[in-house]
Amino acid sequence: KQEVTQIPAALSVPEGENLVLNCSFTDSAIYNLQWFRQDPGKGLTSLLLIQSSQREQTSGRLNASLDKSSGRSTLYIAASQPGDSATYLCAVDSGGYNKLIFGAGTRLAVHP
Amino acid sequence: SAVISQKPSRDICQRGTSLTIQCQVDSQVTMMFWYRQQPGQSLTLIATANQGSEATYESGFVIDKFPISRPNLTFSTLTVSNMSPEDSSIYLCSVAGTSGRAGIWDTQYFGPGTRLTVL
Repeated sequence: KQEVTQIPAALSVPEGENLVLNCSFTDSAIYNLQWFRQDPGKGLTSLLLIQSSQREQTSGRLNASLDKSSGRSTLYIAASQPGDSATYLCAVDSGGYNKLIFGAGTRLAVHP
Repeated sequence: SAVISQKPSRDICQRGTSLTIQCQVDSQVTMMFWYRQQPGQSLTLIATANQGSEATYESGFVIDKFPISRPNLTFSTLTVSNMSPEDSSIYLCSVAGTSGRAGIWDTQYFGPGTRLTVL
């Protein structure tokens, strides 16, 4: 059974820092991995989707990497801003058909 | 992309009653999903709702407790039946296949969620 773990559970950093969020999964046979951002009362916003054949994806200040063999993904946020404060969720699709298994998330606070 | 709305946004219900949550998408989508997020926990998939067929439920979830309808390609409902305080959660609708075909590379889009409190 696939399990997804995210470390750290919470993170508080000053504005401007570069930071790394970690995601690990127990079964390396995945179809894709997605990173989401969750803001209170606003549902989830998809940040990056990495297909199983890819090693990384970039969008603006965000870069996500995927190492299937070791069961790990990292989300790198450059030059963090207070507006980046949210919960970041990692999710994997193990069986295809877009059925996602989520990690518990990393709650990020960026203070001015 | 897809814009998803859910109704109601929140509700407070009495034990033993039922609540139906609506999910509306601004475009036709192949696949719709219902997730639950219990307090302090991450999201868990309840079921997949495909148009024209019965919903497919994940382990631990049954149709009698969470009946789902999918009458067309833009709309679905989830009913939480005979509620107990343990059903207090955020219920989220999501969609994939916005291109009109289901693909394993599809980004998923989520609605804003319905916050349910059962007393």
